[in-house]
Amino acid sequence: NAGVTQTPKFQVLKTGQSMTLQCAQDMNHEYMSWYRQDPGMGLRLIHYSVGAGITDQGEVPNGYNVSRSTTEDFPLRLLSAAPSQTSVYFCASRAGGPWVAKNIQYFGAGTRLSVL
Amino acid sequence: GENVEQHPSTLSVQEGDSAVIKCTYSDSASNYFPWYKQELGKRPQLIIDIRSNVGEKKDQRIAVTLNKTAKHFSLHITETQPEDSAVYFCAAVRDFGNEKLTFGTGTRLTIIP
Repeated sequence: NAGVTQTPKFQVLKTGQSMTLQCAQDMNHEYMSWYRQDPGMGLRLIHYSVGAGITDQGEVPNGYNVSRSTTEDFPLRLLSAAPSQTSVYFCASRAGGPWVAKNIQYFGAGTRLSVL
Repeated sequence: GENVEQHPSTLSVQEGDSAVIKCTYSDSASNYFPWYKQELGKRPQLIIDIRSNVGEKKDQRIAVTLNKTAKHFSLHITETQPEDSAVYFCAAVRDFGNEKLTFGTGTRLTIIP
């Protein structure tokens, strides 16, 4: 049981390049989320999904796309990277049910992205 | 939307002393308040949480208190140890059907041996 797995761990992009951050979980969790973490700003929600085929925007969705074709995978796509997207990205998942308090959120190890 | 303020941003305490981190929130409808610990280069992990129908919750050396009237909640760590050194984040959310946790900006706690 690997939990939440993110790849790659580190990535350097040039402005305008595109890439996909991968996130996979093996806990059969319905809910998955993407956060970015910037110095002095805590974690901010980018996009989330409450099940396969269902996604919604978080606090800072601009510049990012997501899709959820399977329960296990929730990739985050940067279509045209910008220096403002330099950050550490965390994927998280939790078991289903509307009560957040009853279902602990598990985080992946993070992807450190630099956009030059 | 919700706004969570966290203080202090950095905190240094002598080993064995207590540490207190405070958060205030703006949305009176928020009713679930988790705390996360993030060690250097690691992922955030939930360490304790509290719901709005409870004023205090303890788990060994850590405790969380909530004052709904004043809209603030605090993390208390007693008998601090070197392994408590980390960044701590508070968060607030309206529980039920809402994934949009709002996090505080974090407190870097350093335990001085």
